[in-house]
Amino acid sequence: EAGVTQFPSHSVIEKGQTVTLRCDPISGHDNLYWYRRVMGKEIKFLLHFVKESKQDESGMPNNRFLAERTGGTYSTLKVQPAELEDSGVYFCASSQVPNGYTFGSGTRLTVV
Amino acid sequence: QKEVEQNSGPLSVPEGAIASLNCTYSDRGSQSFFWYRQYSGKSPELIMSIYSNGDKEDGRFTAQLNKASQYVSLLIRDSQPSDSATYLCAVLKAAGNKLTFGGGTRVLVKP
Repeated sequence: EAGVTQFPSHSVIEKGQTVTLRCDPISGHDNLYWYRRVMGKEIKFLLHFVKESKQDESGMPNNRFLAERTGGTYSTLKVQPAELEDSGVYFCASSQVPNGYTFGSGTRLTVV
Repeated sequence: QKEVEQNSGPLSVPEGAIASLNCTYSDRGSQSFFWYRQYSGKSPELIMSIYSNGDKEDGRFTAQLNKASQYVSLLIRDSQPSDSATYLCAVLKAAGNKLTFGGGTRVLVKP
């Protein structure tokens, strides 16, 4: 069984540019989550999809962040325009039932 | 006060010894508790979950939960150099599916 796949693994962009991160969950997993870890801080929840619907987006920092999940399969997280404080590692996780998270290896975003 | 607190470490233990990691949480409504292991540059990997008071053992790992004290711990017996990693405590509240993480404890097992 393929795991949760994220790409790119690394992205370096300039302040003000746009970046789109992608997550492919484990096939058949209805629940998809985005988390972020900024330097020196703990991993923090961003949002939760159930299939294509946003179940909880309380952790999204501001309206520069837009998450979508087309057809309940893969998900994208777009940051537009990127700011310096957006730098960090963005993790995606999926599960079929609550509690059974599998994390992807993350996308390291650096905004310069 | 952070919702989930861990000592950042590093916790240095000799090979073969017991590593003891602690985690406290602030929300009394928390229902599920998890320990993840994260190697540098890799994804968090679930190693233990615990839902009720007491001990839960899985191989060399034992998780302990005390809801009255809002405390969860992880013991690693017979520590190996391959156990050197950051261990993340995560808590799931009664409502919703989002995990709240502590900052992690870095463990170094020295041969």
